[in-house]
Amino acid sequence: DVKVTQSSRYLVKRTGEKVFLECVQDMDHENMFWYRQDPGLGLRLIYFSYDVKMKEKGDIPEGYSVSREKKERFSLILESASTNQTSMYLCASSLWQGNSPLHFGNGTRLTVT
Amino acid sequence: DQQVKQNSPSLSVQEGRISILNCDYTNSMFDYFLWYKKYPAEGPTFLISISSIKDKNEDGRFTVFLNKSAKHLSLHIVPSQPGDSAVYFCAGDTGTASKLTFGTGTRLQVTL
Repeated sequence: DVKVTQSSRYLVKRTGEKVFLECVQDMDHENMFWYRQDPGLGLRLIYFSYDVKMKEKGDIPEGYSVSREKKERFSLILESASTNQTSMYLCASSLWQGNSPLHFGNGTRLTVT
Repeated sequence: DQQVKQNSPSLSVQEGRISILNCDYTNSMFDYFLWYKKYPAEGPTFLISISSIKDKNEDGRFTVFLNKSAKHLSLHIVPSQPGDSAVYFCAGDTGTASKLTFGTGTRLQVTL
């Protein structure tokens, strides 16, 4: 079974802090994704990556960056956290070919005060 | 621009009855559709999918119907069980490495 592990379940950070959200998958998937989930807005794609060192902007990349130095690890970085980045963050992975289902981690609930 | 819409934020169904969750989309480039189920404090899990060349796909109690002309899909759960209580998301895929566009979700409550 695919396992996608997000390093923290809950995080509380202050406005202006640099925040790292870490995600690791164990199935050698090529694709990795970061989504955020907000009430009434569903899941929105922040960034995704097809391969090591590659990244693509999703629908809402502003205020975020990502890093993929190893195939199994995909990090989401909030350069200067703001209160409107308080959200549930979900990492996912999938095989390279299209139409492959995403496998999600359990999420990180980030609160920025 | 909401390309995938789930107009019912919530739905309550009695155990044993049919649950019907609806989803509308606007992007004609979607060639694959998926349904995910999400319990609180867990990530979404893949439930069932359908290719745009089909109009129905069935997996046990779950059936997804696709009406391309109406840009509408629906998920039927028969019979509904209390364990089906969750938030359900539909998603469209243009075939570009699983870059999915999700709807806003429908919370299903199956009552005894």
